[in-house]
Amino acid sequence: DTEVTQTPKHLVMGMTNKKSLKCEQHMGHRAMYWYKQKAKKPPELMFVYSYEKLSINESVPSRFSPECPNSSLLNLHLHALQPEDSALYLCASSHPKERANTGELFFGEGSRLTVL
Amino acid sequence: AQKITQTQPGMFVQEKEAVTLDCTYDTSDPSYGLFWYKQPSSGEMIFLIYQGSYDQQNATEGRYSLNFQKARKSANLVISASQLGDSAMYFCAMRPLEDNDMRFGAGTRLTVKP
Repeated sequence: DTEVTQTPKHLVMGMTNKKSLKCEQHMGHRAMYWYKQKAKKPPELMFVYSYEKLSINESVPSRFSPECPNSSLLNLHLHALQPEDSALYLCASSHPKERANTGELFFGEGSRLTVL
Repeated sequence: AQKITQTQPGMFVQEKEAVTLDCTYDTSDPSYGLFWYKQPSSGEMIFLIYQGSYDQQNATEGRYSLNFQKARKSANLVISASQLGDSAMYFCAMRPLEDNDMRFGAGTRLTVKP
């Protein structure tokens, strides 16, 4: 069982809806990540939070809004999405670079998003 | 920014045989980590093995070993004694040790034949 929990596992939304993806970890990791993965493609980095501060934003459209309310939680707020935003959204966590031994990412099982 | 290249879109291997999945990388960072992940059809990303850029010895984890050739900037994954459950996508990834920026290669789909 993964120690990174993502909800919901599946989400279908219209282009005018507002929804959120949630991610939670209790491993004491202080770096958390959002990746987007289209079918048969690698995960693409979207955002990284380090010590609850946004450290990497890969020029993601503003219809995706990340939030890290505390060290265990990471949200991705979705608004006015397009059908091409349909994908698997993966959350991950790791020790930040200052504490990393190997620095591997621990992934959740993902939230599969369909935008109609 | 780092670049990771996996040139094998798909590979086939007979059960119980060994297979090598290729990965080359390019980076200007002096110290970095190299990772391999397995992604079954269920979608979860499973960490397999890690190699640090300053590690003198190749990493091994059970049936997985990493053939690290720093001068050639390659980090190939070797899976020994393939099992049917090894059929999955395999991603090579890289992260500068001074950053939290983890990037992935395009992936290789491995199919193990009985």
